[in-house]
Amino acid sequence: DAGVTQSPTHLIKTRGQHVTLRCSPISGHKSVSWYQQVLGQGPQFIFQYYEKEERGRGNFPDRFSARQFPNYSSELNVNALLLGDSALYLCASSLSRDHEQYFGPGTRLTVT
Amino acid sequence: ILNVEQSPQSLHVQEGDSTNFTCSFPSSNFYALHWYRWETAKSPEALFVMTLNGDEKKKGRISATLNTKEGYSYLYIKGSQPEDSATYLCAFGSGGGADGLTFGKGTHLIIQP
Repeated sequence: DAGVTQSPTHLIKTRGQHVTLRCSPISGHKSVSWYQQVLGQGPQFIFQYYEKEERGRGNFPDRFSARQFPNYSSELNVNALLLGDSALYLCASSLSRDHEQYFGPGTRLTVT
Repeated sequence: ILNVEQSPQSLHVQEGDSTNFTCSFPSSNFYALHWYRWETAKSPEALFVMTLNGDEKKKGRISATLNTKEGYSYLYIKGSQPEDSATYLCAFGSGGGADGLTFGKGTHLIIQP
C-alpha cells in the first residue's frame, strides 16, 4: 500500500508569491495534519483536518490556509510568502486523531 | 504555549550499549504522547502512541514508559545498533487531540561502531 505522498518535493518561490502544497493520505485515513519544520526545531503544528472539516489550527497567521477534499487529499496554501516561511512542510495522515501519524517525505520550500 | 522538552539534545553511544532519553511535557490537559524516529532523508516513523499513565510499550529493542502525573516519558534502546542512529522526537497531544501535536526538538542519537 502506498504511503503518504506529497508534491512537489522541492519548491523555490519569491517573497510575496503564493504557494500550494499537496498531500495524499494513506488509503482509508481520514485525518490529515500539516506541520512546518525549520532546522533545529521539531515539527510545528499548522492544521488538522478530519472528514473534510478543520479540527485544529496551530499558531500560524491567516496567510496559511488549507482544505481537505472528498477523497481525503489535502492542500496547504500560503499567501504573501515571507523569507521566514522557508521550511520543510510535512503532511501526516492517520485513521483518526487518536492514532499514530504517518508522515510523508515533505516539501522543501525556499523563499528568496 | 505548550512546552515539550527533550534531553539530551544529542547523544553518542557505542554499538551494543543501551541508552535512554527523556521527554518532558505539561502534566495538565494530557491526551496522548507520541514517539517518532526520524532518520536522515526519510520521513518520521511512528514508534509508540501512549495514552494512559503507567503505559509501557515495546517494539523489538525499543521501549517507552509514560508518567502523565509528573509529565515525563522515557525511551529506552537496548543493545544499540548502527541502524538506531536517528533523531527521536516526542510529541504531546492535548485538548482532546484537537490541538494537534506539539513536538520537542528531538534527541539526535549517533551509534558509534
